Amino acid sequence: QKEVEQDPGPLSVPEGAIVSLNCTYSNSAFQYFMWYRQYSRKGPELLMYTYSSGNKEDGRFTAQVDKSSKYISLFIRDSQPSDSATYLCAMSALGTALIFGKGTTLSVSS
Amino acid sequence: SAVISQKPSRDICQRGTSLTIQCQVDSQVTMMFWYRQQPGQSLTLIATANQGSEATYESGFVIDKFPISRPNLTFSTLTVSNMSPEDSSIYLCSVGGGQTRINYGYTFGSGTRLTVV
Repeated sequence: QKEVEQDPGPLSVPEGAIVSLNCTYSNSAFQYFMWYRQYSRKGPELLMYTYSSGNKEDGRFTAQVDKSSKYISLFIRDSQPSDSATYLCAMSALGTALIFGKGTTLSVSS
Repeated sequence: SAVISQKPSRDICQRGTSLTIQCQVDSQVTMMFWYRQQPGQSLTLIATANQGSEATYESGFVIDKFPISRPNLTFSTLTVSNMSPEDSSIYLCSVGGGQTRINYGYTFGSGTRLTVV
């Protein structure tokens, strides 16, 4: 079993839809959870950061962490064509490097 | 967050040659990380580079193949040595920091897209 599992998609939605992206993990020591967005031919850009369990909201984006289920989610409300990108979940334990999921490719059509 | 300038942005190299990738940060950072992203794959950590000490390599990566320099707190280089087509990837540098000061890799450069022919 891989440490971080992420459905690669692709995921196609119409503009305005609510998008749900998910990752599961196996390492109970993970405490720091991040979502990155990566446009084609660009480096990953940090979208959301969450420490331990709970929810975090930033504009149209909401990140959720359920440590009991080892499951994290990113919700995008009112999705826009500019949200079309690859979304990578990443997580780490204290003082260790990030472990990334494979990324989910999202396409939002106008 | 820090701003990272990574060069070159892309290159096509002959097998058996070496390429050095540069990573310049606009502020002093303790730890820098080098990642590889192979086609269709996620990011894999190659090594962690601290200023003034030897880089720490992850399993499957060795110093002879991927020598790293870290001469100061704003600069690092990664060399891909004796290249083969299997080294064709995107190479990314990353710096730690942010709100929690945890050295987990936070901001990424735009990457170097390497093709070995």
